[in-house]
Amino acid sequence: GDSVIQMQGQVTLSENDFLFINCTYSTTGYPTLFWYVQYSGEGPQLLLQVTTANNKGSSRGFEATYDKGTTSFHLQKTSVQEIDSAVYYCAMRPGTGSNRLTFGKGTKFSLIP
Amino acid sequence: ETAVFQTPNYHVTQVGNEVSFNCKQTLGHDTMYWYKQDSKKLLKIMFSYNNKQLIVNETVPRRFSPQSSDKAHLNLRIKSVEPEDSAVYLCASSKGQNSDYTFGSGTRLLVI
Repeated sequence: GDSVIQMQGQVTLSENDFLFINCTYSTTGYPTLFWYVQYSGEGPQLLLQVTTANNKGSSRGFEATYDKGTTSFHLQKTSVQEIDSAVYYCAMRPGTGSNRLTFGKGTKFSLIP
Repeated sequence: ETAVFQTPNYHVTQVGNEVSFNCKQTLGHDTMYWYKQDSKKLLKIMFSYNNKQLIVNETVPRRFSPQSSDKAHLNLRIKSVEPEDSAVYLCASSKGQNSDYTFGSGTRLLVI
């Protein structure tokens, strides 16, 4: 079946550090891949999405590349700030015509106080 | 303003009570969803409605039931709450086959 794996439950960094959040997926065909971000007290909101394999999506300084070969869609940002503290969800929509999204478990990012 | 609106924001109730949460979207979307988010932030889909027809019903307990009057509204009723129902309930909507989801801010339920 379809699945999205986020191995990191939590990531803690210092300001201006490089952020890398791991995401791999499993499905047949060519899915569309998403990153959602959830700030405290809010619902998840779309951060970026990529429909075509080997393309890169970017938004607010974040980037993710749809790697069909390694079935990965890792999220990264060069220099993190306090406002980036949130829970990040990787998600996938299969390429079968269904609009049902499969979400990863989420990765909570926070700055070292 | 176009968005997904959920009420109430918070609700505290006792075991065995009935609760109902409201969700309305003003985005012109045709599909709405209810998700349960547990204390570990895991998102679990509960229901999905497309043009007032239930198209996904994950194996949630029978005390949960969705209620839809039209494609802009999808409410969630819990007939007799239990402690494990304490969570954040997120409503979302989407349009057609190729759109992302727009989420509401959630309803936080605490069962005591």
